[in-house]
Amino acid sequence: KNQVEQSPQSLIILEGKNCTLQCNYTVSPFSNLRWYKQDTGRGPVSLTIMTFSENTKSNGRYTATLDADTKQSSLHITASQLSDSASYICVVTQTNFGNEKLTFGTGTRLTIIP
Amino acid sequence: DTEVTQTPKHLVMGMTNKKSLKCEQHMGHRAMYWYKQKAKKPPELMFVYSYEKLSINESVPSRFSPECPNSSLLNLHLHALQPEDSALYLCASRRQASGGYEQYFGPGTRLTVT
Repeated sequence: KNQVEQSPQSLIILEGKNCTLQCNYTVSPFSNLRWYKQDTGRGPVSLTIMTFSENTKSNGRYTATLDADTKQSSLHITASQLSDSASYICVVTQTNFGNEKLTFGTGTRLTIIP
Repeated sequence: DTEVTQTPKHLVMGMTNKKSLKCEQHMGHRAMYWYKQKAKKPPELMFVYSYEKLSINESVPSRFSPECPNSSLLNLHLHALQPEDSALYLCASRRQASGGYEQYFGPGTRLTVT
């Protein structure tokens, strides 16, 4: 069964600290993996997209890693800010004949406290 | 214009009402999606339109009726909804990115059925 599991479910850290969120997946075949940031009651916003051959991708203070052999990904946030408080969702894509199927993780709820 | 817009932002409707949700994008994307998201859960795919034709219907009840009048516009017509249909409804459009497709999400419509 195609699944995407994220850990931790929730995380609280002090402003300015770093943190790392984890994503393990069993989706096959694999097309790409994305990390999205979703503020409460808002639509997800893409942070990074990674293919099978990419190990690391950065977007400002966000750095995503991918190990396609172990089917694990992480999202590292550096020097956290209050505005980083949100849910972070890992999404794995399968592509078949021009249609893609997204499998969403349940997300990590991150809270930054001053 | 690099965004997906959705109207209204909030909608409260009775179980006998008929209402519509609207989604618009002017990025030239030819695939558009409707998702339903309950609180603290990942988005669930409802419908996919590709080149203005319905390509995927994830066994959604007929009280939800999608429509794609043109390549920039996607509607979701609602009739005789149930309280359990209360959720955040997200629209997305898709572009070809390096490594596969990438979906852009709108801000969502918060629907409450009374």
